[in-house]
Amino acid sequence: GAGVSQSPSNKVTEKGKDVELRCDPISGHTALYWYRQSLGQGLEFLIYFQGNSAPDKSGLPSDRFSAERTGGSVSTLTIQRTQQEDSAVYLCASSLNSAGTQYFGPGTRLLVL
Amino acid sequence: AQKVTQAQTEISVVEKEDVTLDCVYETRDTTYYLFWYKQPPSGELVFLIRRNSFDEQNEISGRYSWNFQKSTSSFNFTITASQVVDSAVYFCALSEATSGTYKYIFGTGTRLKVLA
Repeated sequence: GAGVSQSPSNKVTEKGKDVELRCDPISGHTALYWYRQSLGQGLEFLIYFQGNSAPDKSGLPSDRFSAERTGGSVSTLTIQRTQQEDSAVYLCASSLNSAGTQYFGPGTRLLVL
Repeated sequence: AQKVTQAQTEISVVEKEDVTLDCVYETRDTTYYLFWYKQPPSGELVFLIRRNSFDEQNEISGRYSWNFQKSTSSFNFTITASQVVDSAVYFCALSEATSGTYKYIFGTGTRLKVLA
């Protein structure tokens, strides 16, 4: 079956612009995670969605970052007023339930000029 | 506090050599899960194995084997008869039940280079 998909695969933007990153989880997976992979910080958790529960936003680095998950499926990560330090690979993962193994998408490579 | 340490930043081996990637973790939970993922040059994280804290049985899958030892808080990964296709960055990760979210805490990764 189809894995986790993410779009765009690459995004180049100018400092100060807003960007939206999309994640399509594996069908039937109720848990969805966003992570960020950067040279300085490694792989770090950003946000978690599980069903209709309130998301865990504890990993979001600033209030410029937000995410939503519509209809329990597709998720969008939005970064407002992008900064150069936001440049990283943003990875999405989904799991069958919160305790399940997470399967990762190919990531979106974001470059902020 | 929870933490995963992969002390080996980069390892180079010649094809057909065996290689062990180390992973040491810290957690106060009694229920937790450990994972290994492979990240080839394409960038996608590929799941390799999952172990739960109550199962210390070692596992072998083809050329891959894993040694889980709670006494030393280690979950090491061995590749036997390495191949060039094994070249990648390997990540160890920890997931804790009390987090509620089971979010992963990753190590910094070990870059494995297998030379022909």
